[in-house]
Parts: sequence; C-alpha cells; structure tokens
Amino acid sequence: EVQLVESGGGLVQPGGSLRLSCAASGFTFSSYEMNWVRQAPGKGLEWVAYISTSASTIYYADSVKGRFTISRDNAKNSLYLQMNNLGAEDTAVYYCARKEYYFDNWGQGTLVTVSS
Amino acid sequence: EIVMTQSPATLSVSPGERATLSCRASQSVGSNLAWYQQKSGQAPRLLIYGASTWATGIPARFRGSGSGTEFTLTISSLQSEDFAVYYCQQYNDWPHTFGQGTKVEIK
Repeated sequence: EVQLVESGGGLVQPGGSLRLSCAASGFTFSSYEMNWVRQAPGKGLEWVAYISTSASTIYYADSVKGRFTISRDNAKNSLYLQMNNLGAEDTAVYYCARKEYYFDNWGQGTLVTVSS
Repeated sequence: EIVMTQSPATLSVSPGERATLSCRASQSVGSNLAWYQQKSGQAPRLLIYGASTWATGIPARFRGSGSGTEFTLTISSLQSEDFAVYYCQQYNDWPHTFGQGTKVEIK
C-alpha cells in the first residue's frame, strides 16, 4: 500500500523558516516524480513544487520561487520542502503527492501557520 | 499559465439524482485532465485521469468526458458519500493548475 506521511508543520512567525518532510513507503520512491501541493484554509488546491526522480528537474510556482526549495533523498525514501521568508499567505495545509502524470497518491497533509 | 475554470461553484443535488460538473481550460490540454474528490478534513483523492479513465477503485457512477478545453464529470446517482468538493487539474503543461473546485452539497 502506498503511504505518504508529511511532518514538520507548525506555527512560525512571519519571516521565519520551516522544513517539511514526506516519508514514502509501499512503492519504489526513486522511480516516481514528486510534488508539494498546498491548500489555504477554506480555499482550493495550489501546486507548489515539483521534483523529478533524480532531482535533475525542479519547478516552482511563481508564488514561492526564490523562497522555497524542494529536495529528495531516495536512499531515505523522503521528500522535503525548505520554506524560508514565510508570510501569512503561506498559511496552508501542505500535501506531498506522487506524480504519475497526474497526482495519483496524496499524503494527509501537514498544517503550516504563519502568524505572530 | 493555463487557467482552469470550474462551474458551478456549488451544486445542490438530492441523493439519487445526477450531478454534472464542468471544467474549462483556457487553452487546449488534450486529454491531460484529472478529477479529484476532497471530503472535509481529508486529502484529495484521484477519481479520473486522462479525462475519462477511472482511477483504481472508483465506482462506475463517476464518469469523465471531454477533451481539448471542455470537460465534464458526471455522477450518475449521488450517494451520501459523494457529497464533497471536486477539483479538475490539467497536467498538460507546467504549472499543473487546478480549478477552483465545485462543492456538491445535499439539497
């Protein structure tokens, strides 16, 4: 069974940093491209970042470019999102999602709240 | 960036009735269109990919159709567990944009 488990969310002050993790199991992690998607409270889904299997190709949404960094460790079956210079607009549930062209499996999400 | 527009924003339907959800792309995405269901407090779940192919375990009452810029998700006979928010997403080009969602609520 495919499992994606996010962690690392929490309360952070504006301008602060946070690192999210996504632990993958039940499939060959190194063979799949991965993404982060977020959802602000009461809002829709927003794609945030993409990373290819070998991390050779990375894309970011314009809203996070220059502040967020996606990475992966295939040996540890883990995906990461380093988030810097956080603002109130980054408050959201962050999901990791496996990509099979479309996003076929999602984690349960981790909540990031940016507030003073 | 391809803009995905869903309509209506909210759909009020009685159990057992049919629901028809629309999704329009600002430019052609071919058949690279997925539908997701999200229940309150849960992660999204893939329903349909390739505009019309069921994901694993999805019941046949969910039917996707369309290509190019116009897509439809039809739920033939709404069950209690189908009341949720539905999102379309194009994966033809980056960024892989989502529609704003259609909430299907009990009438």
